[in-house]
Amino acid sequence: DTGVSQNPRHKITKRGQNVTFRCDPISEHNRLYWYRQTLGQGPEFLTYFQNEAQLEKSRLLSDRFSAERPKGSFSTLEIQRTEQGDSAMYLCASSPKWGQSPRYEQYFGPGTRLTVT
Amino acid sequence: QKEVEQDPGPLSVPEGAIVSLNCTYSNSAFQYFMWYRQYSRKGPELLMYTYSSGNKEDGRFTAQVDKSSKYISLFIRDSQPSDSATYLCAFNAGNNRKLIWGLGTSLAVNP
Repeated sequence: DTGVSQNPRHKITKRGQNVTFRCDPISEHNRLYWYRQTLGQGPEFLTYFQNEAQLEKSRLLSDRFSAERPKGSFSTLEIQRTEQGDSAMYLCASSPKWGQSPRYEQYFGPGTRLTVT
Repeated sequence: QKEVEQDPGPLSVPEGAIVSLNCTYSNSAFQYFMWYRQYSRKGPELLMYTYSSGNKEDGRFTAQVDKSSKYISLFIRDSQPSDSATYLCAFNAGNNRKLIWGLGTSLAVNP
Protein backbone atom coordinates (compact mmCIF):
# COMPACT_ATOMS: atom_id res chain seq x y z
CA ASP A 1 0.00 0.00 0.00
CA THR A 2 1.87 3.05 -1.26
CA GLY A 3 -0.80 5.56 -0.21
CA VAL A 4 -1.61 8.86 -1.86
CA SER A 5 1.46 10.87 -2.83
CA GLN A 6 1.74 14.58 -3.53
CA ASN A 7 4.52 16.66 -5.03
CA PRO A 8 6.05 18.99 -4.20
CA ARG A 9 5.64 18.90 -0.44
CA HIS A 10 6.46 22.59 -0.12
CA LYS A 11 6.30 25.45 -2.61
CA ILE A 12 7.28 29.06 -2.09
CA THR A 13 6.38 31.41 -4.90
CA LYS A 14 6.06 35.10 -5.56
CA ARG A 15 2.71 36.74 -6.05
CA GLY A 16 1.64 36.61 -9.67
CA GLN A 17 3.50 33.41 -10.53
CA ASN A 18 1.81 30.19 -11.64
CA VAL A 19 2.21 26.96 -9.67
CA THR A 20 1.29 23.35 -10.41
CA PHE A 21 0.87 20.51 -7.93
CA ARG A 22 0.68 16.80 -8.65
CA CYS A 23 -1.27 14.04 -6.92
CA ASP A 24 -0.89 10.29 -7.40
CA PRO A 25 -3.85 8.44 -5.83
CA ILE A 26 -3.89 4.90 -4.50
CA SER A 27 -3.73 2.76 -7.63
CA GLU A 28 -7.10 1.00 -7.45
CA HIS A 29 -9.02 4.15 -6.48
CA ASN A 30 -11.06 5.78 -9.23
CA ARG A 31 -12.25 8.87 -7.37
CA LEU A 32 -9.94 11.79 -6.61
CA TYR A 33 -10.54 14.96 -4.62
CA TRP A 34 -8.70 18.21 -4.07
CA TYR A 35 -9.11 20.23 -0.86
CA ARG A 36 -7.50 23.32 0.59
CA GLN A 37 -6.84 23.77 4.31
CA THR A 38 -5.79 26.81 6.30
CA LEU A 39 -4.67 26.86 9.92
CA GLY A 40 -7.41 26.00 12.41
CA GLN A 41 -9.92 25.02 9.75
CA GLY A 42 -11.16 21.77 8.32
CA PRO A 43 -10.36 20.98 4.69
CA GLU A 44 -12.30 23.02 2.12
CA PHE A 45 -13.50 21.15 -0.96
CA LEU A 46 -12.14 22.35 -4.31
CA THR A 47 -12.98 19.74 -6.94
CA TYR A 48 -13.68 16.05 -7.57
CA PHE A 49 -12.94 13.54 -10.36
CA GLN A 50 -14.37 10.16 -11.12
CA ASN A 51 -11.86 8.55 -13.46
CA GLU A 52 -10.92 11.36 -15.88
CA ALA A 53 -14.21 13.26 -15.58
CA GLN A 54 -14.31 16.36 -13.38
CA LEU A 55 -17.75 16.04 -11.83
CA GLU A 56 -17.84 18.95 -9.42
CA LYS A 57 -15.98 22.19 -8.83
CA SER A 58 -16.50 24.42 -5.82
CA ARG A 59 -18.15 27.76 -6.44
CA LEU A 60 -15.50 29.21 -4.15
CA LEU A 61 -12.87 28.36 -6.72
CA SER A 62 -11.94 31.25 -8.93
CA ASP A 63 -11.07 30.94 -12.62
CA ARG A 64 -7.41 31.05 -11.62
CA PHE A 65 -7.66 27.46 -10.44
CA SER A 66 -7.78 24.51 -12.81
CA ALA A 67 -7.45 20.78 -12.27
CA GLU A 68 -6.97 17.88 -14.65
CA ARG A 69 -6.85 14.13 -14.51
CA PRO A 70 -6.11 13.27 -18.13
CA LYS A 71 -5.86 9.48 -17.98
CA GLY A 72 -7.83 8.83 -14.86
CA SER A 73 -4.68 8.23 -12.84
CA PHE A 74 -2.63 11.16 -11.48
CA SER A 75 -4.06 14.66 -11.23
CA THR A 76 -2.63 18.17 -11.39
CA LEU A 77 -3.89 21.35 -9.77
CA GLU A 78 -2.72 24.63 -11.28
CA ILE A 79 -3.07 28.07 -9.74
CA GLN A 80 -2.46 30.97 -12.08
CA ARG A 81 -1.42 34.47 -10.98
CA THR A 82 -1.07 33.43 -7.35
CA GLU A 83 -2.23 35.77 -4.58
CA GLN A 84 -1.20 35.86 -0.93
CA GLY A 85 -4.64 34.52 -0.01
CA ASP A 86 -3.78 31.31 -1.87
CA SER A 87 -1.26 30.40 0.83
CA ALA A 88 -2.56 27.18 2.34
CA MET A 89 -2.09 23.42 2.47
CA TYR A 90 -3.43 21.74 -0.69
CA LEU A 91 -4.63 18.23 0.00
CA CYS A 92 -5.43 15.41 -2.39
CA ALA A 93 -7.55 12.40 -1.46
CA SER A 94 -8.78 9.29 -3.22
CA SER A 95 -11.66 6.86 -2.67
CA PRO A 96 -12.06 3.20 -3.55
CA LYS A 97 -14.17 1.97 -6.43
CA TRP A 98 -17.66 0.85 -5.67
CA GLY A 99 -18.04 -2.87 -5.51
CA GLN A 100 -21.13 -4.51 -4.15
CA SER A 101 -21.20 -1.92 -1.38
CA PRO A 102 -20.59 1.82 -1.72
CA ARG A 103 -17.40 3.21 -0.25
CA TYR A 104 -17.27 6.83 0.85
CA GLU A 105 -14.18 7.09 2.98
CA GLN A 106 -11.38 9.22 1.56
CA TYR A 107 -7.66 8.66 1.98
CA PHE A 108 -5.44 11.70 2.04
CA GLY A 109 -1.93 12.45 0.89
CA PRO A 110 0.62 14.44 2.91
CA GLY A 111 -0.36 17.72 1.24
CA THR A 112 1.51 20.47 -0.58
CA ARG A 113 2.15 23.56 1.52
CA LEU A 114 2.03 26.71 -0.61
CA THR A 115 3.45 30.02 0.56
CA VAL A 116 2.88 33.05 -1.65
CA THR A 117 5.18 35.97 -0.82
CA GLN B 1 -26.79 26.99 12.18
CA LYS B 2 -23.58 25.34 11.01
CA GLU B 3 -23.90 21.92 9.42
CA VAL B 4 -21.25 20.53 11.77
CA GLU B 5 -20.26 21.70 15.24
CA GLN B 6 -17.04 20.55 16.88
CA ASP B 7 -15.39 22.06 19.94
CA PRO B 8 -11.87 23.13 18.90
CA GLY B 9 -10.45 22.65 22.39
CA PRO B 10 -7.61 22.50 23.20
CA LEU B 11 -8.14 19.38 25.26
CA SER B 12 -5.34 18.33 27.59
CA VAL B 13 -5.33 14.95 29.38
CA PRO B 14 -2.80 12.83 31.28
CA GLU B 15 -1.37 9.71 29.68
CA GLY B 16 -3.66 6.72 30.15
CA ALA B 17 -6.85 8.76 30.33
CA ILE B 18 -9.98 7.99 28.32
CA VAL B 19 -10.61 10.74 25.78
CA SER B 20 -14.04 11.63 24.42
CA LEU B 21 -14.33 13.72 21.27
CA ASN B 22 -17.69 14.80 19.87
CA CYS B 23 -19.42 16.36 16.90
CA THR B 24 -23.00 17.36 16.31
CA TYR B 25 -24.55 17.82 12.90
CA SER B 26 -27.77 19.22 11.49
CA ASN B 27 -28.05 17.63 8.02
CA SER B 28 -30.33 14.57 8.16
CA ALA B 29 -28.95 13.45 4.80
CA PHE B 30 -25.59 12.53 6.34
CA GLN B 31 -25.26 8.77 6.24
CA TYR B 32 -21.52 8.18 6.48
CA PHE B 33 -19.41 9.23 9.41
CA MET B 34 -15.66 9.42 9.65
CA TRP B 35 -12.96 10.43 12.10
CA TYR B 36 -9.56 11.65 10.97
CA ARG B 37 -6.39 12.37 12.91
CA GLN B 38 -4.10 15.12 11.71
CA TYR B 39 -0.62 15.82 12.99
CA SER B 40 0.82 19.28 12.56
CA ARG B 41 1.69 20.04 8.92
CA LYS B 42 0.55 16.59 7.74
CA GLY B 43 -2.45 15.35 5.78
CA PRO B 44 -5.49 13.90 7.61
CA GLU B 45 -5.26 10.19 8.41
CA LEU B 46 -8.45 8.14 8.36
CA LEU B 47 -8.99 6.57 11.78
CA MET B 48 -12.50 5.22 11.76
CA TYR B 49 -15.50 5.18 9.47
CA THR B 50 -19.01 3.90 10.00
CA TYR B 51 -22.15 3.83 7.98
CA SER B 52 -24.73 3.15 10.68
CA SER B 53 -25.82 4.06 14.18
CA GLY B 54 -24.16 2.23 17.01
CA ASN B 55 -20.59 1.52 18.06
CA LYS B 56 -17.57 0.41 16.07
CA GLU B 57 -14.36 -0.56 17.80
CA ASP B 58 -10.81 -0.73 16.46
CA GLY B 59 -8.08 -1.29 19.02
CA ARG B 60 -8.05 1.63 21.45
CA PHE B 61 -10.56 3.59 19.36
CA THR B 62 -14.36 3.40 19.47
CA ALA B 63 -16.61 5.38 17.14
CA GLN B 64 -20.19 5.95 18.22
CA VAL B 65 -23.01 7.29 16.09
CA ASP B 66 -26.45 8.37 17.28
CA LYS B 67 -28.43 9.38 14.20
CA SER B 68 -31.56 10.24 16.19
CA SER B 69 -29.63 12.86 18.16
CA LYS B 70 -27.35 13.77 15.23
CA TYR B 71 -24.33 13.20 17.42
CA ILE B 72 -21.12 11.27 16.88
CA SER B 73 -18.28 10.50 19.26
CA LEU B 74 -14.78 9.10 19.20
CA PHE B 75 -13.39 7.49 22.34
CA ILE B 76 -9.70 6.84 22.83
CA ARG B 77 -8.77 4.42 25.61
CA ASP B 78 -5.38 4.35 27.34
CA SER B 79 -4.35 7.55 25.59
CA GLN B 80 -0.70 7.95 24.67
CA PRO B 81 1.46 11.03 24.00
CA SER B 82 1.57 9.90 20.36
CA ASP B 83 -2.20 10.51 20.22
CA SER B 84 -1.53 14.25 20.54
CA ALA B 85 -2.97 15.66 17.32
CA THR B 86 -6.04 17.36 15.91
CA TYR B 87 -9.07 15.11 15.46
CA LEU B 88 -11.57 15.99 12.76
CA CYS B 89 -15.01 14.56 12.20
CA ALA B 90 -16.25 14.30 8.61
CA PHE B 91 -19.58 13.49 7.03
CA ASN B 92 -20.88 12.39 3.64
CA ALA B 93 -24.45 12.35 2.40
CA GLY B 94 -23.79 9.31 0.24
CA ASN B 95 -23.54 11.27 -2.96
CA ASN B 96 -19.97 10.41 -3.86
CA ARG B 97 -18.79 13.93 -3.41
CA LYS B 98 -17.13 16.10 -0.83
CA LEU B 99 -16.82 15.46 2.84
CA ILE B 100 -18.26 18.02 5.23
CA TRP B 101 -15.82 18.68 8.05
CA GLY B 102 -15.75 19.85 11.62
CA LEU B 103 -13.10 22.39 12.60
CA GLY B 104 -11.15 19.77 14.53
CA THR B 105 -10.36 19.32 18.22
CA SER B 106 -6.77 19.77 19.32
CA LEU B 107 -5.74 17.05 21.81
CA ALA B 108 -2.62 16.99 23.97
CA VAL B 109 -1.79 13.85 25.96
CA ASN B 110 0.75 14.64 28.64
CA PRO B 111 3.30 12.04 29.83
